[in-house]
Amino acid sequence: DAGITQSPRHKVTETGTPVTLRCHQTENHRYMYWYRQDPGHGLRLIHYSYGVKDTDKGEVSDGYSVSRSKTEDFLLTLESATSSQTSVYFCAISETLSYEQYFGPGTRLTVT
Amino acid sequence: SQQGEEDPQALSIQEGENATMNCSYKTSINNLQWYRQNSGRGLVHLILIRSNEREKHSGRLRVTLDTSKKSSSLLITASRAADTASYFCATRHSNSGYALNFGKGTSLLVTP
Repeated sequence: DAGITQSPRHKVTETGTPVTLRCHQTENHRYMYWYRQDPGHGLRLIHYSYGVKDTDKGEVSDGYSVSRSKTEDFLLTLESATSSQTSVYFCAISETLSYEQYFGPGTRLTVT
Repeated sequence: SQQGEEDPQALSIQEGENATMNCSYKTSINNLQWYRQNSGRGLVHLILIRSNEREKHSGRLRVTLDTSKKSSSLLITASRAADTASYFCATRHSNSGYALNFGKGTSLLVTP
């Protein structure tokens, strides 16, 4: 596996609480991505980053924010978690926009 | 949505048989990629085919691309039980700017 870790791997939280997921890479890749995976929807892009402090929205960005203060870390924050954000979240990295992405192991988030 | 769509949704074969999965998409692409996901794990990049390529091989994998039909196929030859996984196509579209668009996947079961 590429050097990508995600933390936590599992989390259960209550509606309305803030949640932060962390993605850490040791590959020094420029691009980092957050996806969510839900049955019947495949993978959907939430946010991505093209450099330190450079981020942009994806297809399903409402309710999520991100930050990237260092090349190796990309944080995904749910300011006020809702049940619809129960999902498996994957971080991915790539050297360029066009080519292969390397995925982390995923974080299973349950919002009750 | 510019998502690719895999077909079939599910496929069950016996070891030694070949498995063929198809992907269709709607708008012009820069490249098309195939990924594998084992249960509970992140996605793993298998192969990338550029829009000006028609066929590509990697070990037991063969990918074809027909841009006139906006479709691609992934062939796994002499399948093994370890090939049991979900397979996703991902397309990078000429006008998408940044995103890889993932389909919903084909679930492949290879029985001994």
